[in-house]
Amino acid sequence: GAVVSQHPSRVICKSGTSVKIECRSLDFQATTMFWYRQFPKKSLMLMATSNEGSKATYEQGVEKDKFLINHASLTLSTLTVTSAHPEDSSFYICSAPQGVLYNEQFFGPGTRLTVL
Amino acid sequence: AQSVTQLGSHVSVSEGALVLLRCNYSSSVPPYLFWYVQYPNQGLQLLLKYTTGATLVKGINGFEAEFKKSETSFHLTKPSAHMSDAAEYFCAVSDQAGTALIFGKGTTLSVSS
Repeated sequence: GAVVSQHPSRVICKSGTSVKIECRSLDFQATTMFWYRQFPKKSLMLMATSNEGSKATYEQGVEKDKFLINHASLTLSTLTVTSAHPEDSSFYICSAPQGVLYNEQFFGPGTRLTVL
Repeated sequence: AQSVTQLGSHVSVSEGALVLLRCNYSSSVPPYLFWYVQYPNQGLQLLLKYTTGATLVKGINGFEAEFKKSETSFHLTKPSAHMSDAAEYFCAVSDQAGTALIFGKGTTLSVSS
């Protein structure tokens, strides 16, 4: 199956700094990617839809100035958490649709962000 | 709007016993339905999916699920649990190909020897 990678897998940063998380489709092109956030023992919450060559679409309640998304190529989307604070600590997962008729989502392994 | 309800946040079974994880959905259109498994600090692995066609779907690791439109359900089963099945399981739905998934809250499966 298709492979989606994320980098880094874990990151620890100080409060007030910015952190960039990369999501790559390794063996297919993805014009659309999705970013999810998962709190401990909780489900995945869709944050935004990343569209290659255009602005991301954010879900209600997600601060677009806080979580900057850039989809500069057909294989790379980045999520930048700006001025991170402890409440931004979470597990961030990206996905990309692929397969026949794009009816399957492939998920990255996730990035664990800890803000001190 | 779509939604997914997973009944039972925690299910415990003995090794060798039947596994049944429940999922009900709501969707105004024919849904695409998925089951994913997540091990600690890892991403999601697709167990199986229903898009069209046969309503009984077989997945990896011996899991299967049946789409029942009349009951708006997509329950996940496995005849005989293995210790390695202990993980978090998520049911998800989307209303069309290529769109984001809506996830249920997850069910933690524990398997005892």
